[in-house]
Amino acid sequence: QVQLVESGGGVVQPGGSLRLSCAASGFTFNAKGMQWVRQAPGKGLEWVAFIRSDGSSQSYADTVKGRFRISRDNSRNTLYLQMSSLRAEDTAAYFCARDGRDHAFDNWGQGALVTVSS
Amino acid sequence: QTVVTQEPSFSVSPGGTVTLTCGLSSGSVSSNYYPSWYQQTPGQAPRSLIYNTNTRSSGVPDRFSGSILGNKAALTITGAQADDESDYYCALFMYRDNWVFGGGTKLTVL
Repeated sequence: QVQLVESGGGVVQPGGSLRLSCAASGFTFNAKGMQWVRQAPGKGLEWVAFIRSDGSSQSYADTVKGRFRISRDNSRNTLYLQMSSLRAEDTAAYFCARDGRDHAFDNWGQGALVTVSS
Repeated sequence: QTVVTQEPSFSVSPGGTVTLTCGLSSGSVSSNYYPSWYQQTPGQAPRSLIYNTNTRSSGVPDRFSGSILGNKAALTITGAQADDESDYYCALFMYRDNWVFGGGTKLTVL
């Protein structure tokens, strides 16, 4: 079955950097686009970034553009989110999700918590 | 800036029917936006319910259905059960590989 496991969350100071990883299994990773979605405490879901199956194209929400970078290593079945210039408002649970049929998020990881605080 | 609108909260009686909607601050939602719906209970990851307007994801009971109603996407739960009490989010696929989620609807079953 599809499994997505995030790691790399933690506490970071404002202006700092952090890299999240998402280990994928149970499907052909290099055949699927992948997503990052976040959820601030007590708030709704916010789409963050998308990368195509071969890594050839990425897209970002305006709130993170220029600060976050999504990437993947298809040889390791792993998705990444490099976050820099972090702000308090980036505090959230970060979920990786698989891009399924017809532009839906069909499988989700359990999330990694990122706290930006001094 | 695109804003996707959802009812903040809704209540339904056990066994009842409820329709949650997903609209746009300006314009109409059509199937061209590939509306999808997700269910989330506190502390859990979201779960895919509906994609491409009205296709149920694997394992989703048929009491969940999706449609376009007027100028909005809609999620209808028929015969609501206690464990349907959750937060429900819609997502719309925008141009150039961008997505926007609605603010979510907190559904109470009582």
